[in-house]
Amino acid sequence: AQKITQTQPGMFVQEKEAVTLDCTYDTSDPSYGLFWYKQPSSGEMIFLIYQGSYDQQNATEGRYSLNFQKARKSANLVISASQLGDSAMYFCAMREETGGFKTIFGAGTRLFVKA
Amino acid sequence: DAEITQSPRHKITETGRQVTLACHQTWNHNNMFWYRQDLGHGLRLIHYSYGVQDTNKGEVSDGYSVSRSNTEDLPLTLESAASSQTSVYFCASSESGSPNEKLFFGSGTQLSVL
Repeated sequence: AQKITQTQPGMFVQEKEAVTLDCTYDTSDPSYGLFWYKQPSSGEMIFLIYQGSYDQQNATEGRYSLNFQKARKSANLVISASQLGDSAMYFCAMREETGGFKTIFGAGTRLFVKA
Repeated sequence: DAEITQSPRHKITETGRQVTLACHQTWNHNNMFWYRQDLGHGLRLIHYSYGVQDTNKGEVSDGYSVSRSNTEDLPLTLESAASSQTSVYFCASSESGSPNEKLFFGSGTQLSVL
């Protein structure tokens, strides 16, 4: 069964606008972590943001914030004030405590920022 | 600066050949992972290791093997390369017990099996 679901294969956003990338997950483990990684066209994988399942507040890192809705099992990434350099592939990922240290990934969403 | 290095960056091989992809990290991380990236599938876990002499199968381990003889290296071997193994391969590492245990990735190896 798919544990991480990213339903948007591709998205467009106008420069300087905000955009939300969707991610839903499936786990019965009470302890887990959620991640977002960015992959620009150069191919490297860049860590963006982390949310722990017990964290009370939504995580924020600069222009990135994670909209964590635990009951709905969603962990959407919000990028504020989009920039042309935000054009990239974005992956949602999860690590479950019962799964040890391995991280599993969704299929990704490709974001295109328009000037 | 600490880093994680993959080699080669690009590899072309023929079906049936044995291929080894190298991964070397200087983070001194116990945890190391191999993923393959394919369009529509994201990154899928092939094998992983939590320390020296420890190896575990991931979700797509058939046709691949790894060994961990020291902390720094986790080579990935394709025993008999198949066209279905054409992919981009990423090695990653993480630190046990860190607050978020985020992954540190290598630059990837583009493997083509003809």
